[in-house]
Amino acid sequence: DAGITQSPRHKVTETGTPVTLRCHQTENHRYMYWYRQDPGHGLRLIHYSYGVKDTDKGEVSDGYSVSRSKTEDFLLTLESATSSQTSVYFCATKGLAENTGELFFGEGSRLTVL
Amino acid sequence: GNSVTQMEGPVTLSEEAFLTINCTYTATGYPSLFWYVQYPGEGLQLLLKATKADDKGSNKGFEATYRKETTSFHLEKGSVQVSDSAVYFCALTGGSQGNLIFGKGTKLSVKP
Repeated sequence: DAGITQSPRHKVTETGTPVTLRCHQTENHRYMYWYRQDPGHGLRLIHYSYGVKDTDKGEVSDGYSVSRSKTEDFLLTLESATSSQTSVYFCATKGLAENTGELFFGEGSRLTVL
Repeated sequence: GNSVTQMEGPVTLSEEAFLTINCTYTATGYPSLFWYVQYPGEGLQLLLKATKADDKGSNKGFEATYRKETTSFHLEKGSVQVSDSAVYFCALTGGSQGNLIFGKGTKLSVKP
């Protein structure tokens, strides 16, 4: 296991409020990813990082921003949450030496926006 | 770009039944293929993988063979248990960001 922890694991918030989800890993993996999981859609990539302060957008990045100031932490921020962002969010990591492409996942953060 | 299609669920089986979950893919080049499993309330765990054509991945009684000629990676298990109840995701490499591309998932329920 890559030692990935996500916080908070559950959060209920109201429309228009900012929300930050944290992903912390202890394996010194270079690559980190944020996915969201929704029924009928599987997992879709929101943002990813290929190193400290190096981030880029995925396929569903609108309304989300990320930051990575340390190797071990990758933050996902919803600047102004909307009901369409109600979802389960997963962080994943990949080591530089992982040439098969395998990702390691955290346990997820369930976000409900009322 | 690369994509993956897996059979829609849910799938309900009796204990000891044979399981097949179909997965087909579209890809340029030679992707690695994966099956991940998600137990209720948990994150995704790697179940098995295959990195080249004709490779067979196996774990916990599950198997899948990388078939390049049919672009498939079907998941099979000869005798399912109640504890196999979970959501199964087929995935492949080839995302432009070095990410994995996932199917929509297939929920399996096994009844005693």
